Amino acid sequence: EAGVVQSPRYKIIEKKQPVAFWCNPISGHNTLYWYRQNLGQGPELLIRYENEEAVDDSQLPKDRFSAERLKGVDSTLKIQPAELGDSAVYLCASSLDPGTGPLHFGDGTRLSIL
Amino acid sequence: LAKTTQPISMDSYEGQEVNITCSHNNIATNDYITWYQQFPSQGPRFIIQGYKTKVTNEVASLFIPADRKSSTLSLPRVSLSDTAVYYCLVGEKGGATNKLIFGTGTLLAVQP
Repeated sequence: EAGVVQSPRYKIIEKKQPVAFWCNPISGHNTLYWYRQNLGQGPELLIRYENEEAVDDSQLPKDRFSAERLKGVDSTLKIQPAELGDSAVYLCASSLDPGTGPLHFGDGTRLSIL
Repeated sequence: LAKTTQPISMDSYEGQEVNITCSHNNIATNDYITWYQQFPSQGPRFIIQGYKTKVTNEVASLFIPADRKSSTLSLPRVSLSDTAVYYCLVGEKGGATNKLIFGTGTLLAVQP
């Protein structure tokens, strides 16, 4: 089966600019996650979707971050405006089971803020 | 939320068996234990999952004692390609509110 697809793989922008990341989960996976991973740290959950509903966005910095999952398939994560501290790898994952997974991750988008 | 504690790093040599232990003292009755492997510039990859006793698949074994307050991931005869970060997670199967929290993981370095 095709894995989780993310794009772009790399993004370099100046601070205060907007940026968006796209994720296509594994077909049939209703649960979709966005994680952020800082260098040397484990992934940190930003938001989880069940179909098109965001069921857990408590860790999403809502002043500058937004996400959507229209039609319950693809998802987009946006940052506007980006700050220096947003430099990280943004990972998307999907699963059949909303509790324990297993989670299937994409290879992420590495964001660098200048 | 059940928190996990793992060693920051471990060293091994090719051909050896490696055991990585994870502590999860406040694991809940409905929580499962899951391990992931992550290589540089890649997303984490599922290795194995279990609830109690022992689970084995083609790449690893997972040992869980009766009190379930810890678990051990066992990698038989490691090779250089097993050098990676290994994460232990606990979460409720089917749990809608579970956050599936990753810790800092264990960096396993396999040497020739």
